[in-house]
Amino acid sequence: GQNIDQPTEMTATEGAIVQINCTYQTSGFNGLFWYQQHAGEAPTFLSYNVLDGLEEKGRFSSFLSRSKGYSYLLLKELQMKDSASYLCAVRFEGGQNFVFGPGTRLSVLP
Amino acid sequence: GAGVSQSPRYKVAKRGQDVALRCDPISGHVSLFWYQQALGQGPEFLTYFQNEAQLDKSGLPSDRFFAERPEGSVSTLKIQRTQQEDSAVYLCASSPSAYEQYFGPGTRLTVT
Repeated sequence: GQNIDQPTEMTATEGAIVQINCTYQTSGFNGLFWYQQHAGEAPTFLSYNVLDGLEEKGRFSSFLSRSKGYSYLLLKELQMKDSASYLCAVRFEGGQNFVFGPGTRLSVLP
Repeated sequence: GAGVSQSPRYKVAKRGQDVALRCDPISGHVSLFWYQQALGQGPEFLTYFQNEAQLDKSGLPSDRFFAERPEGSVSTLKIQRTQQEDSAVYLCASSPSAYEQYFGPGTRLTVT
């Protein structure tokens, strides 16, 4: 199968920086997405990477290394409202569907 | 404008019952996806439509699951003879392009 791996849970302090890693099988890679999902709500789009490097969007940045099959989501100046699950999703060639990782549940503490 | 809507938001079914879950995508979005999300897990792909054509149904777990989008807009996911392992949140997403998907709030199905 096309496994996507992420840490299950992370904890960080308000105002800090946290990095959430995602690794995936490189064969057929065709784009990587990060979504945020608050409990009981729908996932919302955060970022998209298809080329190597860093994409920055305000407090959130996402990095991709295609050769390593690795991405991370960087959240700066953490706020309590950032407590949520963060889903890494990969699109593979030959299909339109995304394969999602299990999600990383982030808890931001005061 | 309006986002993706799904109905019902919650559904309780007795084992063996048939259920139908509805998705209203964002107007004009060509692509529509259905996912199943178990508690504490990421969404798992079920099926994909481009307009009215079902181009990929490789994720449907059994022949009890059936999806349609007859006019290329509203879609229905039907589950026949529900079983307890079908309990999950069913998410619908629509997309105008290959870059991002807009998710609906989901339908939480509980089979008792």
